[in-house]
Amino acid sequence: DVKVTQSSRYLVKRTGEKVFLECVQDMDHENMFWYRQDPGLGLRLIYFSYDVKMKEKGDIPEGYSVSREKKERFSLILESASTNQTSMYLCASSPSAGANYGYTFGSGTRLTVV
Amino acid sequence: AQSVTQLDSQVPVFEEAPVELRCNYSSSVSVYLFWYVQYPNQGLQLLLKYLSGSTLVKGINGFEAEFNKSQTSFHLRKPSVHISDTAEYFCAVSGPNDYKLSFGAGTTVTVRA
Repeated sequence: DVKVTQSSRYLVKRTGEKVFLECVQDMDHENMFWYRQDPGLGLRLIYFSYDVKMKEKGDIPEGYSVSREKKERFSLILESASTNQTSMYLCASSPSAGANYGYTFGSGTRLTVV
Repeated sequence: AQSVTQLDSQVPVFEEAPVELRCNYSSSVSVYLFWYVQYPNQGLQLLLKYLSGSTLVKGINGFEAEFNKSQTSFHLRKPSVHISDTAEYFCAVSGPNDYKLSFGAGTTVTVRA
């Protein structure tokens, strides 16, 4: 069964810490995405990557960066965590043909910044 | 750019009753439309998608949706719900050649016995 695996289900971090959220997919997909999910706001795109070492900003990139050194792994980095980054973070992947193939999502990482 | 609006944030429904979740989109180009479901403490799972062709799309778990270009809508329906359909449902849109999906705010469906 194809999978997108997020390394942590729950994380609690302190304000100002550097936080790494890891995502790994085993489907050989070219595209990978990071979304955050907040009640009443749905999913908002933070960053996406369409190839190794390639990335593009999504709708809300401020305060975040990403890294994609290998095709299967896409990391989201909070350079200095703040309380307004408390949220559910969802990773997804899709084949290179585009969004019409649909995404495969991970189970999410619920991050709390205190 | 494309966007979607889900018209209901919460939909309570009794078991075995029908349910309809409303989704409207805005776009100046042709679109692809999707419905995803998120069960408690899980990621999102694709229910169904419209790419082209027949405007009535059937998905998993007995759900179906109808694409209506004149009304720019893609409403999701199920004729008889089960307790296990309690979940959050997201409508999403992309344009042709887009990598990314734009999601609505979500509709929480609560099925009661």
